[in-house]
Amino acid sequence: SAVISQKPSRDICQRGTSLTIQCQVDSQVTMMFWYRQQPGQSLTLIATANQGSEATYESGFVIDKFPISRPNLTFSTLTVSNMSPEDSSIYLCSVEDSGLREAFFGQGTRLTVV
Amino acid sequence: GQNIDQPTEMTATEGAIVQINCTYQTSGFNGLFWYQQHAGEAPTFLSYNVLDGLEEKGRFSSFLSRSKGYSYLLLKELQMKDSASYLCAVRVPNNAGNMLTFGGGTRLMVKP
Repeated sequence: SAVISQKPSRDICQRGTSLTIQCQVDSQVTMMFWYRQQPGQSLTLIATANQGSEATYESGFVIDKFPISRPNLTFSTLTVSNMSPEDSSIYLCSVEDSGLREAFFGQGTRLTVV
Repeated sequence: GQNIDQPTEMTATEGAIVQINCTYQTSGFNGLFWYQQHAGEAPTFLSYNVLDGLEEKGRFSSFLSRSKGYSYLLLKELQMKDSASYLCAVRVPNNAGNMLTFGGGTRLMVKP
């Protein structure tokens, strides 16, 4: 199994500012995933981050709003840029095990934009 | 597009058995996952099915029928701590390789 450390665990931010969320994995993984979970909703994939290449974004998400870095095989960051109250959500990073039979999640970052 | 349906809420009694259904219509299929998520916490893995049939793991079992686009999660000997949301997710191909598409989740309340 993989252990994922995600920080910050929560933050309250002013609108118009940006927040960078960090995700550290205790083993090397090819792909890391960033999800958003809005209040009372299920998880929606924002993007897939591969090391050494640009992230692949899902429909409705763009790089200018959610820039992602993946400098090595154990670390990734997601930035929520120019925040508005609509960005208030839980953001989670995830990795899959090598056999692709399980996905592991970080503890999530609970973001509130005021 | 991807469509994954599961009931929004269910209620069951401690000690009983509950079955949570999930139907899916997706562009491609590379496996189906069930996750448990307690309020304020990250999802935790429960089961994975890629072939038809039943997978049993302790009090939890998961069934898959690919021809029917159908899965269920069976929880036996319910305990109060099983009160949580249960998420059905299908792995589908995308431009990056594969991705998990989640259903809306089923909030299960276990009563004494």
